[in-house]
Parts: sequence; C-alpha cells; structure tokens
Amino acid sequence: AQKVTQAQTEISVVEKEDVTLDCVYETRDTTYYLFWYKQPPSGELVFLIRRNSFDEQNEISGRYSWNFQKSTSSFNFTITASQVVDSAVYFCALVSGGYQKVTFGTGTKLQVIP
Amino acid sequence: EPEVTQTPSHQVTQMGQEVILRCVPISNHLYFYWYRQILGQKVEFLVSFYNNEISEKSEIFDDQFSVERPDGSNFTLKIRSTKLEDSAMYFCARSRGVTYEQYFGPGTRLTVT
Repeated sequence: AQKVTQAQTEISVVEKEDVTLDCVYETRDTTYYLFWYKQPPSGELVFLIRRNSFDEQNEISGRYSWNFQKSTSSFNFTITASQVVDSAVYFCALVSGGYQKVTFGTGTKLQVIP
Repeated sequence: EPEVTQTPSHQVTQMGQEVILRCVPISNHLYFYWYRQILGQKVEFLVSFYNNEISEKSEIFDDQFSVERPDGSNFTLKIRSTKLEDSAMYFCARSRGVTYEQYFGPGTRLTVT
C-alpha cells in the first residue's frame, strides 16, 4: 500500500517570505518515485518535479527547492522569496511497486499575500 | 511539453444519463490515465490504459465506467448511468512510462443534477 500525507492544509505567507511545504510518504517498496504538482486557481495540474528513490540529492530550480530524506520518508518543497503567482494548491504524489497509479496527498493550499 | 486537450470543459447532465468525456493526448506517449477530483478534495486515480487495454484500475472504477481509444487518438471515459456523486473534475493524463511524470489535461467539470 502507498500513502502520502500532507499535514499542512493551508498556509498563508506574505510575499517574499520563504515557505516550506511538507510531504511524508509511506511505501513498502524500495523503488518508488515522488512528484510535486501545482494546481493554480485555474484548476489545471502542473508537473513540477520527479525524484526516484535512489537519488537523494536535493534539487534546486530557481526559487524552488526540494529536500528528499529517505530516513524520515519526507520530500519537502521550499519556495524562496514567495510571489503572489505561487498561490495555488500543491500536491505531493507517489508511484511505487510497479503500480501505474499516482497516489496523491490531500494537498496544501498556499496563499501568498501581497 | 505538448498539451493534452479535453472536451467538453464543462458538462451538465441529469442523474441516470450517460456521459462521454474526451481526451486528445497530443504526443506519442503510450500511457494514458483518468483521474477525478471532487471539489476541494484530492486527486484520485481511476484507470490507466496502455496498448489499447486497461492496465490498472481503482476500486472507484466500477462497472459504470469504461474507457477506450476508438480511433487511435481520442481517449474516452464513459460513465453509463451517472449519479450525483459522480460530480467532479475529471482529468486525463499521459506519460511516456509508468514511472515517469504525468502530464494532465485541463479537466472536464462534470455536474450531475
């Protein structure tokens, strides 16, 4: 079985603040893949990043960075110097065990206040 | 990345009616998926489709649901007899492999009255 927990339901920050979105996953498989998706108010789902279980290197892409720690089964997402356009629901997701379905977390709604 | 298009963007139907949601994955990806998202809730997997057949489905995907790719391009989700609880946003997605990222269409909002 696979499970993704995003304990933060909603977060509000003031523009230019840094914010970290937490993601904790559960799987019995040693090979798995983690993802983050963004869902802006317009409703579409936008792929942000994919990470496999064998690569624990952190990743940085512009203002976005991801911290993958197998020891704590976490894959956290940090936005540096947040902007109003970052306001969205962010979903962490997991694929494991040769399954084809993506298991999504419940999402964290981020509101960036100008 | 090439887009996935979905039609219609919004469908209103009466309970008990059949609906067909359409998806055109504009790429040569081989894996296709349907998900649904009830308003304000998380995204739930319905079914995956590869090589013109279902490769995996969830417990939500019961006998009321079916998928097909009738002409090699359009990928459809049919709900035979809609229920009020089928009201949701339905997303089509594609990927180049089961462990790769999925690219989602803009969704079809289904409202069952």
